[in-house]
Amino acid sequence: NAGVMQNPRHLVRRRGQEARLRCSPMKGHSHVYWYRQLPEEGLKFMVYLQKENIIDESGMPKERFSAEFPKEGPSILRIQQVVRGDSAAYFCASSPNPLVTFPDTQYFGPGTRLTVL
Amino acid sequence: AQTVTQSQPEMSVQEAETVTLSCTYDTSESDYYLFWYKQPPSRQMILVIRQEAYKQQNATENRFSVNFQKAAKSFSLKISDSQLGDAAMYFCAYRSGNQFYFGTGTSLTVIP
Repeated sequence: NAGVMQNPRHLVRRRGQEARLRCSPMKGHSHVYWYRQLPEEGLKFMVYLQKENIIDESGMPKERFSAEFPKEGPSILRIQQVVRGDSAAYFCASSPNPLVTFPDTQYFGPGTRLTVL
Repeated sequence: AQTVTQSQPEMSVQEAETVTLSCTYDTSESDYYLFWYKQPPSRQMILVIRQEAYKQQNATENRFSVNFQKAAKSFSLKISDSQLGDAAMYFCAYRSGNQFYFGTGTSLTVIP
């Protein structure tokens, strides 16, 4: 059972470009979470998604950031018109369906390190 | 608002010795979950141990155990018989509902 997959592992963008980060949850997991980790800081929640639904986006900046988790394919975190302050590690985590399994644990991917030049 | 505080930015321990990492949290809820995650240089977040707030018994996973003091809102991690592979950043996390709240981490160095 493969773990949570994220790609790319490293992404370099120039200011004003778009960044697309992908996350494939663990097999059997239907819930995806995105976090941002700035240097020397802990992870900050951004958004929680189920298939085709955004459940909680209270941690997502109102502008330039969007996330989706389509019926087929990975979850995508999209950052438009990136700025230097967007440079960070972005982690995806997944968890099982809470209606089926005790929803206490998230399993993290290896992260995508975004560098904005 | 829920917050998680790790007051020790850095800790060190001699190999084979025991070290305790502290964590406090603030919440008004009675039902929640607490976790310790390890982040080695590879940056992968690895679950170390978890605790349900309604359970009084402290969780234990091999060399890792917690001291959960619900009234004091304290959740410390004890690592026994420390090994070189334990060197990493350790994050305390609190879960309520859909969200996890993370502390700022403690960097653990293991001295051979």
